[in-house]
Amino acid sequence: EAGVAQSPRYKIIEKRQSVAFWCNPISGHATLYWYQQILGQGPKLLIQFQNNGVVDDSQLPKDRFSAERLKGVDSTLKIQPAKLEDSAVYLCASRITGGPGTEAFFGQGTRLTVV
Amino acid sequence: AQRVTQPEKLLSVFKGAPVELKCNYSYSGSPELFWYVQYSRQRLQLLLRHISRESIKGFTADLNKGETSFHLKKPFAQEEDSAMYYCALRQGGSEKLVFGKGTKLTVNP
Repeated sequence: EAGVAQSPRYKIIEKRQSVAFWCNPISGHATLYWYQQILGQGPKLLIQFQNNGVVDDSQLPKDRFSAERLKGVDSTLKIQPAKLEDSAVYLCASRITGGPGTEAFFGQGTRLTVV
Repeated sequence: AQRVTQPEKLLSVFKGAPVELKCNYSYSGSPELFWYVQYSRQRLQLLLRHISRESIKGFTADLNKGETSFHLKKPFAQEEDSAMYYCALRQGGSEKLVFGKGTKLTVNP
């Protein structure tokens, strides 16, 4: 089966600019996660969707970050305006809902550099 | 709130030596614990999950609720085991998946 697709793979922007990332999860996966991974750290959960509804966005900096998952399939994560500390890899993951132990599948990530 | 702690940022062993990557967690409910691995230039992928009690690539991990630990072990490390290893916890009943900061394992020849 096709994996989680993310684009772009790399992005360089200046601070105060805006940027958007796109994720296409595995078909049929109701749960979708966005993570921020700063160099040398573990993935930090930003937002979690169940179909097109937000389940958890407690760690999303809502003054500058936004995310949506229209129609419960693809998702976009936006940063506006970007800050230097937003430089990180943004990971998207999806998981089929139901049953313990089911794994989350990750995309290759988008590496964002803010200069 | 749930938390996952991996105390070792770096771990270096020689080929054939035993290896143990530590993971401790804090969560009041019934957690699901996982180990994910990221090889160089590859995406993050599941290595094993506590519920399956499986051995993958020679690795095992036992959930110890008394010590709130889920350490990853392998009796004889191989060079191809060199990678970043992340312990992760999912809340029972929720889909929230939280990761530790990771341990970089290097297996020297």
